[in-house]
Amino acid sequence: DGGITQSPKYLFRKEGQNVTLSCEQNLNHDAMYWYRQDPGQGLRLIYYSQIVNDFQKGDIAEGYSVSREKKESFPLTVTSAQKNPTAFYLCASSIEAEQYFGPGTRLTVT
Amino acid sequence: AQKVTQAQTEISVVEKEDVTLDCVYETRDTTYYLFWYKQPPSGELVFLIRRNSFDEQNEISGRYSWNFQKSTSSFNFTITASQVVDSAVYFCALSVRLLDDKIIFGKGTRLHILP
Repeated sequence: DGGITQSPKYLFRKEGQNVTLSCEQNLNHDAMYWYRQDPGQGLRLIYYSQIVNDFQKGDIAEGYSVSREKKESFPLTVTSAQKNPTAFYLCASSIEAEQYFGPGTRLTVT
Repeated sequence: AQKVTQAQTEISVVEKEDVTLDCVYETRDTTYYLFWYKQPPSGELVFLIRRNSFDEQNEISGRYSWNFQKSTSSFNFTITASQVVDSAVYFCALSVRLLDDKIIFGKGTRLHILP
């Protein structure tokens, strides 16, 4: 089945540790995105990538990093510089302005 | 700047009632796209509809219908004969550049359908 996978669904980390969230798609979409969702909030764009080996900062990129070495993969690293990393993270890919979302990863940092 | 406003934070209705979720958008672009997404408790966003700015025709899909009015910059979503399975958070969203596909989301409306 075509789709977007994010793993793991739940992730727990200690403060000060970097953590990488996985996002893989087999839809052959060029564009991929990372969003952060906090309780009662909409989605805020962290980073996006239109093509392999290229990516741009979104609205809240500070404390995050990404890579796009393969078309199907767009991992997000939450660094220790991110002040409030606990959130729900959603990955998406898109074609012709239609975005398809993965199931999300809920990250808890204590 | 672009903006999407969903003024209703939370709505509760009894099953089988009709319910309308409001969405107001702001953009200076003449070409844009509007979306609705559903987020059930599982967390994954489900795409419901996309409309472009040149097509003001209302759309109906089963119990769902959408009313797009450029004159009031609104793109409202109505669920007819609501069911408990419709309980979710619903997001309205706007995209102004098809090529880079960036989407601006509203804060969402949490809909509770009471049995």
